[in-house]
Amino acid sequence: AQKITQTQPGMFVQEKEAVTLDCTYDTSDQSYGLFWYKQPSSGEMIFLIYQGSYDEQNATEGRYSLNFQKARKSANLVISASQLGDSAMYFCAMREGPGSARQLTFGSGTQLTVLP
Amino acid sequence: GAVVSQHPSWVICKSGTSVKIECRSLDFQATTMFWYRQFPKQSLMLMATSNEGSKATYEQGVEKDKFLINHASLTLSTLTVTSAHPEDSSFYICSAREWLGVRNIQYFGAGTRLSVL
Repeated sequence: AQKITQTQPGMFVQEKEAVTLDCTYDTSDQSYGLFWYKQPSSGEMIFLIYQGSYDEQNATEGRYSLNFQKARKSANLVISASQLGDSAMYFCAMREGPGSARQLTFGSGTQLTVLP
Repeated sequence: GAVVSQHPSWVICKSGTSVKIECRSLDFQATTMFWYRQFPKQSLMLMATSNEGSKATYEQGVEKDKFLINHASLTLSTLTVTSAHPEDSSFYICSAREWLGVRNIQYFGAGTRLSVL
């Protein structure tokens, strides 16, 4: 079974509008971390936001917020007020285990295109 | 956020030569670094986990003699692609983990595009 599932290969959004990128995960661990990264065409992976499994509130970082629904095992990324520079590939990732040295497991990514 | 520097960003080499890629954590110490490979329009594939002062842990299917990893200090890990061949052409990206108590974040370098002729 896929650990991280991103069901939207591509998404389009109009500039200045909000967009939600979906991510569901599968784990039996009680302690885990969820991450979102942005990868523009240049290739670098840019860390956007982190949500710990025990965090009671949804994480927010500027225009990025993570809609964490633990019972549904979903961790959707919400980008508010989209900008042209937001066009990129977005990856959801999970690290299982309590602060361990385990590696990240990545989803297949969602290509976001912001339209002017 | 923390900065991970990766060099070179782009390298072209002849088949049979070796290529070294450096990954540095600039403003934090990283006991653990990771090396990934990414094919076009695909997700990242973990190649190996690099631990400072010890041998790297390679993922299944990754040739340790082909992809030599050295993590000699808390801020530097290197990946050497030995006797490179065209099938080794790919995008290689390193990552370093910054420990902040319970919360630890993995930051990535800008990646290296390797083209083997």
